[in-house]
Amino acid sequence: AQSVTQLGSHVSVSEGALVLLRCNYSSSVPPYLFWYVQYPNQGLQLLLKYTSAATLVKGINGFEAEFKKSETSFHLTKPSAHMSDAAEYFCAVTGPNYGGSQGNLIFGKGTKLSVKP
Amino acid sequence: DAGVTQSPTHLIKTRGQQVTLRCSPISGHKSVSWYQQVLGQGPQFIFQYYEKEERGRGNFPDRFSARQFPNYSSELNVNALLLGDSALYLCASSPGGGRGNTEAFFGQGTRLTVV
Repeated sequence: AQSVTQLGSHVSVSEGALVLLRCNYSSSVPPYLFWYVQYPNQGLQLLLKYTSAATLVKGINGFEAEFKKSETSFHLTKPSAHMSDAAEYFCAVTGPNYGGSQGNLIFGKGTKLSVKP
Repeated sequence: DAGVTQSPTHLIKTRGQQVTLRCSPISGHKSVSWYQQVLGQGPQFIFQYYEKEERGRGNFPDRFSARQFPNYSSELNVNALLLGDSALYLCASSPGGGRGNTEAFFGQGTRLTVV
């Protein structure tokens, strides 16, 4: 069964600093992996996804993530934080049968990112 | 194009009551999933429907039920509400139709408060 662990429930960075949000997954088969962002009182927006193509995935708003099978990790990074990046970020995993008529996303508990001026 | 729409956006119910939440997927999407997000936690999978049939169910009691209509919209019903059912309920739609990297698009959610 798949599972996701997000290290750090709260991360604080200064504006312009590197953002690093950690995600480790557990899966018996090669997974699909996603990062979502959630702003207060809103739904989830997809930042990026890994689907067994390139291991370095670029997403929206300058975010990217690298799939490392040997470390079972899919950490999210952004070179320079902006005040508008303050939000909660969720890593999610699913199996290779995802899509079509079956499958669901399994989410981590989330990491709240604060950006200091 | 309209995104995933959910109604109502907020509601308050009393313990023991029943509630119905509604979701309209993106036009052309045939799969709808429901998630419960308790404050401070990640979303938890409740149901998935595809072509009007239940294709997946999470670890939720039978008080939770759902259905999908011919136009692919969906309703989530919760009976005998408990205080612990207070949460943000999210609907996600995806195209469906085949294995692969199908992206799930989420609605804004319905904030349910049980008092």
